[in-house]
Amino acid sequence: GDSVTQTEGLVTLTKGLPVMLNCTYQTTYSPFLFWYVQHLNEAPKLLLKSSTDNKRTEHQGFYATLHKSSSSFHLQKSSVQLSDSALYFCALNQSSGSWQLIFGSGTQLTVMP
Amino acid sequence: EAAVTQSPRNKVTVTGGNVTLSCRQTNSHNYMYWYRQDTGHGLRLIHYSYGAGNLQIGDVPDGYKATRTTQEDFFLLLELASPSQTSLYFCASSDIIISNERLFFGHGTKLSVL
Repeated sequence: GDSVTQTEGLVTLTKGLPVMLNCTYQTTYSPFLFWYVQHLNEAPKLLLKSSTDNKRTEHQGFYATLHKSSSSFHLQKSSVQLSDSALYFCALNQSSGSWQLIFGSGTQLTVMP
Repeated sequence: EAAVTQSPRNKVTVTGGNVTLSCRQTNSHNYMYWYRQDTGHGLRLIHYSYGAGNLQIGDVPDGYKATRTTQEDFFLLLELASPSQTSLYFCASSDIIISNERLFFGHGTKLSVL
């Protein structure tokens, strides 16, 4: 069945450094990929999304490119800030008749001063 | 911005207890969802609904019932709560079935089953 894999459970970085959070997926359908961010004690909210192959999508300094050839949708930022500390989820749309989102296990990003 | 309100925000019950979690959305969205969030597992879908009176089974439905009484209201019921159901529960809603439609989440209910 469809699945989403996030390999890093925890990423700790110093402010100002670049970050890449990995996301790979498996599906037999045409994929829609999402990144959701959840700050401490808040609801998850959409960060960015894409269904277009090899096109970079950006929001709030974060960017990701859907690569269908490698089934990947990695999240990147060139310079992390303290406020970027949060839990990040990659998610896949399962467009197989009933609409559902399949979430990865999440990556906790902690940015240190 | 879509509004999804969950209640209560925190709940403590004992094993075998009866718990109802409530969710209301005020944006006329057709789809509503219940997820549980556990460390290492991300968000897992329990039940969802595409309209009043409709119920669909998600990926982890065992031990849970749900009911969609109106377009706005979606309830999650734990009739014999167990410690394994200790979790953070999120309700979410979305508009009609469009592949790239995003979810709007509530702030969550933290449930502890002792």
